[in-house]
Amino acid sequence: DGGITQSPKYLFRKEGQNVTLSCEQNLNHDAMYWYRQDPGQGLRLIYYSQIVNDFQKGDIAEGYSVSREKKESFPLTVTSAQKNPTAFYLCASSIGGQANEKLFFGSGTQLSVL
Amino acid sequence: GNSVTQMEGPVTLSEEAFLTINCTYTATGYPSLFWYVQYPGEGLQLLLKATKADDKGSNKGFEATYRKETTSFHLEKGSVQVSDSAVYFCALRDTGTALIFGKGTTLSVSS
Repeated sequence: DGGITQSPKYLFRKEGQNVTLSCEQNLNHDAMYWYRQDPGQGLRLIYYSQIVNDFQKGDIAEGYSVSREKKESFPLTVTSAQKNPTAFYLCASSIGGQANEKLFFGSGTQLSVL
Repeated sequence: GNSVTQMEGPVTLSEEAFLTINCTYTATGYPSLFWYVQYPGEGLQLLLKATKADDKGSNKGFEATYRKETTSFHLEKGSVQVSDSAVYFCALRDTGTALIFGKGTTLSVSS
């Protein structure tokens, strides 16, 4: 079945530690996205990538980094510079960058700080 | 810049009641508009969309009409079910950009 796989489902971070969230898609989509969800805040865009080896900052990129070395993979690293990382992280993809395309979402990773 | 504002929740209804969740937007271009739904502990699923003014999106008994004159995309359903309990997000997208979401509205339907 085609889709987006996020792993792990739950992740814990110690102070000063970097952690990486995995996102893989087998939909052959060019564009991929990372969103952060906090209660009452909706979804806020962290980074997005419209093509391999290229990505753009979203509204809240500080303290995060990404790479897009392969079309199917878009890992997100939460660095120690991100002082409030506890949130639900959602990865998504779309065929490309057209306005009318829907996004396909993974099932999310809940990150908590120990 | 582009933005989406939707009504604060939670919205609590009895089964078979009429549902309206208000959504208004601000956009500089000609965006497409979407409603996504999120069930507990899951990612988002597309509920419906409209790509130009006066288009009506519909799915599973839900409807929303793209109103350019009032910059609105209100979600409606004539008779809600317990299984409709979820968080609903209004969103917009311009070409070449990512999806911009509202803050979400929690719907709780009781039998």
